[in-house]
Amino acid sequence: AQSVTQPDIHITVSEGASLELRCNYSYGATPYLFWYVQSPGQGLQLLLKYFSGDTLVQGIKGFEAEFKRSQSSFNLRKPSVHWSDAAEYFCAVGGASGGGADGLTFGKGTHLIIQP
Amino acid sequence: GAVVSQHPSRVICKSGTSVKIECRSLDFQATTMFWYRQFPKKSLMLMATSNEGSKATYEQGVEKDKFLINHASLTLSTLTVTSAHPEDSSFYICSASPFDISYNEQFFGPGTRLTVL
Repeated sequence: AQSVTQPDIHITVSEGASLELRCNYSYGATPYLFWYVQSPGQGLQLLLKYFSGDTLVQGIKGFEAEFKRSQSSFNLRKPSVHWSDAAEYFCAVGGASGGGADGLTFGKGTHLIIQP
Repeated sequence: GAVVSQHPSRVICKSGTSVKIECRSLDFQATTMFWYRQFPKKSLMLMATSNEGSKATYEQGVEKDKFLINHASLTLSTLTVTSAHPEDSSFYICSASPFDISYNEQFFGPGTRLTVL
């Protein structure tokens, strides 16, 4: 069965500091990997995705993530966080059976707190 | 592009009543739509996958008679919570996958907050 582990429930970072959110996955085939951000009471916004090709993917809002197959990881990074980055971050894994999308398996999320 | 809407955004109902939530893909056709449930401070859990014109596929542990899903067109899927109880209170989020099968991506709606009194 597929699974996603986000080991950090909460992370506190000072504004302007760098950020790394960890994500490890378990998936039986080639994974499609995603990072989403959710602000309080809001839906999900896609930050970035990895399907194939270059293992370092760039996303919106200055985020990037690196796919490391050997470590089954897809960690999210940002060189300098802004107060507006405070939110809940979800890593997710999915696939494509028969060419169509499969439902995603989400991690439990990491709550990012930004200190002034 | 790739906008998904949900209606209503928030609903409060009495225990024992049924509630219908709509999910629409506004600018694309979606062969597949998904329904997720999110508990407070918890992750999203996939409830079911619906394909246009066929019966939904439910995840293990999800009661199909409690959560009725209809995907009658390529732009609309509905989730009906039947005989709702307080434990059904949650944040329900749908997503839709475009008809173009060249890649796997889902676009999420803004969610519906259901409170059962």
